[in-house]
Amino acid sequence: KQEVTQIPAALSVPEGENLVLNCSFTDSAIYNLQWFRQDPGKGLTSLLLIQSSQREQTSGRLNASLDKSSGRSTLYIAASQPGDSATYLCVTFGYGNKLVFGAGTILRVKS
Amino acid sequence: DGGITQSPKYLFRKEGQNVTLSCEQNLNHDAMYWYRQDPGQGLRLIYYSQIVNDFQKGDIAEGYSVSREKKESFPLTVTSAQKNPTAFYLCASSWEGARTDTQYFGPGTRLTVL
Repeated sequence: KQEVTQIPAALSVPEGENLVLNCSFTDSAIYNLQWFRQDPGKGLTSLLLIQSSQREQTSGRLNASLDKSSGRSTLYIAASQPGDSATYLCVTFGYGNKLVFGAGTILRVKS
Repeated sequence: DGGITQSPKYLFRKEGQNVTLSCEQNLNHDAMYWYRQDPGQGLRLIYYSQIVNDFQKGDIAEGYSVSREKKESFPLTVTSAQKNPTAFYLCASSWEGARTDTQYFGPGTRLTVL
C-alpha cells in the first residue's frame, strides 16, 4: 500500500529565501507524481505534474524533481514571496489507479 | 467559465440527518471523484466515477452514497450511518483517469455536525 510522507509538516521563512519541500513515497510503481497547492478553506490547484519517465518539471519559480528509484520528490521554490504561503501537497498516482496524498507542508512566507 | 463548482460552501447537519453535497463540472470530464480532508491527514477517496451510471467505492465509502445520472453532476450524500462526518469535502474531475492529466478540484464544502 502506497504511503506518501511530506517533510517538514510546517515551514516559516522570510521573503526572498529559496526553499525545498520534500516528499517520499514507499511504492515506486507510479504513473506520475504531482504537487498541488491548497489555500486555506479552498480546493487544490495543480502546480506541476511529473510523469514517471521524467526527472523534473519547471514552471516559473517552481521546480519539481522525481527520483523513482529512491522514492523521493522535491519541490524547489525560488525567491519565495508572501503569496506563496499555502499548504503544498505531494500526490502519487499508481498502478492501483488512484491518487495517494501526503498530509502536506504548511508554508508561511513572512514579509 | 469552465470549472468545478461545489455547493454549499458551508453546511451544518444535525445528528441523524442525511445531507447531500453538490458537485457540478462543465469541463466535459468523464471521471469525477469525492475526497474527504481531515486536519493533518492527506485527502482520502470516498467514491469515484469513471463514466455515467457507474461508480466505485474508494477507501472510506462507508456511510456515504453517490449517484452519476449525468456526466456533469456527481452528488454525494452523507448519511446518518457516517460516524464522524465533520470534515472538508472536495470534489474533483479529470479526463478518463489521472494517468496523464491532473485532477481539477472544486472549492470544497465544509460540513459540520452539530
